[in-house]
Amino acid sequence: DIQMTQSPSSLSASVGDRVSITCRASQTISTYLNWYQHKPGKLPNLLIYAASSLQSGVPSRFSGSGSGTDFTLTISSLQPEDFATYYCQQTYNNLWTFGQGTTLEIK
Amino acid sequence: QVQLVESGGGVVQPGRSLRLSCAASGLNFSDHGMHWVRQAPGKGLEWVAVIWHDGSDEDYVDSVRGRFTISRDNSKNTLFLQMNSLRVEDTAVYYCARGFTVTSVGGRYLDYWGQGTLVTVSS
Repeated sequence: DIQMTQSPSSLSASVGDRVSITCRASQTISTYLNWYQHKPGKLPNLLIYAASSLQSGVPSRFSGSGSGTDFTLTISSLQPEDFATYYCQQTYNNLWTFGQGTTLEIK
Repeated sequence: QVQLVESGGGVVQPGRSLRLSCAASGLNFSDHGMHWVRQAPGKGLEWVAVIWHDGSDEDYVDSVRGRFTISRDNSKNTLFLQMNSLRVEDTAVYYCARGFTVTSVGGRYLDYWGQGTLVTVSS
């Protein structure tokens, strides 16, 4: 199975900060990489698909980059509603896997 | 409006079985692969299983292969997860989700999720 490793596992930041979360795959996955935001008591929300395509309705402060094994989610200017847990997910083969998650907390 | 509604969760003893259902509406159910994803208490998301749009194939995470079976009834717009030989570590909220493919950019993702159903495996 393809393993996905996110870093950091947790991150403290302030409103207005620019933050980046990285995700590394254990083998090449081309650009079959998605990013989700998950808040307690809510459903996971797709932010980015195919490594860099912004899902409809998602604010443009979210962006994704990367290919192969290394990927990055960037939030250009943190807003109060962005504090949540973020997951990368690979969909390269039939056995999809998520990263372990990155919790973004208010500093 | 797309709706996915899971049911069938509950408390069960280790070694016993449980069957989850996911009723879909507002989407062309038979056009899409469907997935189960779970989240154990205090843990992250874990992809569990997928079934092809026509039920012709399926696949599983290693930890449930041979114990869980995903199936679907396209005539009733319903997805199932038969869970046998349950273990304490299977305790989680189980979500059904629709798989979607964007062929132009080679993207595959989960776009609609149900609210989840809690499965607790405990003696």
